[in-house]
Amino acid sequence: AQKVTQAQTEISVVEKEDVTLDCVYETRDTTYYLFWYKQPPSGELVFLIRRNSFDEQNEISGRYSWNFQKSTSSFNFTITASQVVDSAVYFCALSGITQGGSEKLVFGKGTKLTVNP
Amino acid sequence: SQTIHQWPATLVQPVGSPLSLECTVEGTSNPNLYWYRQAAGRGLQLLFYSVGIGQISSEVPQNLSASRPQDRQFILSSKKLLLSDSGFYLCAWSNPEAVRTGNTIYFGEGSWLTVV
Repeated sequence: AQKVTQAQTEISVVEKEDVTLDCVYETRDTTYYLFWYKQPPSGELVFLIRRNSFDEQNEISGRYSWNFQKSTSSFNFTITASQVVDSAVYFCALSGITQGGSEKLVFGKGTKLTVNP
Repeated sequence: SQTIHQWPATLVQPVGSPLSLECTVEGTSNPNLYWYRQAAGRGLQLLFYSVGIGQISSEVPQNLSASRPQDRQFILSSKKLLLSDSGFYLCAWSNPEAVRTGNTIYFGEGSWLTVV
């Protein structure tokens, strides 16, 4: 069965600090996809990034960067120079395909990030 | 562009009352549709998914049911709510045409349900 572990339940940093959110996954699939979502206080889940299992290149988008390490089954997310608006719950997710051919996301329990001014 | 809406945004219902949460997707055809629940401190759990009209798969046994009467409409229902049904319910969609290339699943705004 697929599993995603986000060991950090809550993180609190001061603005402008860098912060890394950890994500470790388990799957027997040879092809799979990893995602990060942001959930601000309003509740809506906002898609941040998708990564394919066969592409281990790290990705950078502005202050956000992602480190995919297949050897350690990790997909960590780093926010550089954090801002108060980054305060949210962040979810890592692993995609599988059901027998019916439908995408299915398995989520970690999320990491609550608080950025203090 | 595609959009997804669900309603109501907030609901307070007594134990034993019925439930109906509705979700619609615009700007796409034959989407895969999902209902997730987020209970306090427990992450997101897939409840139902649908690959077409009238085709519903349940991931976990529960007091809830889902229906898809139209291509872009997904409804979450219950005949009698339990206290344990309280939580944040999220509808989501994905494009089925490229499902094996790692489609992204997009979520609606969510519905807060409190059973009292």
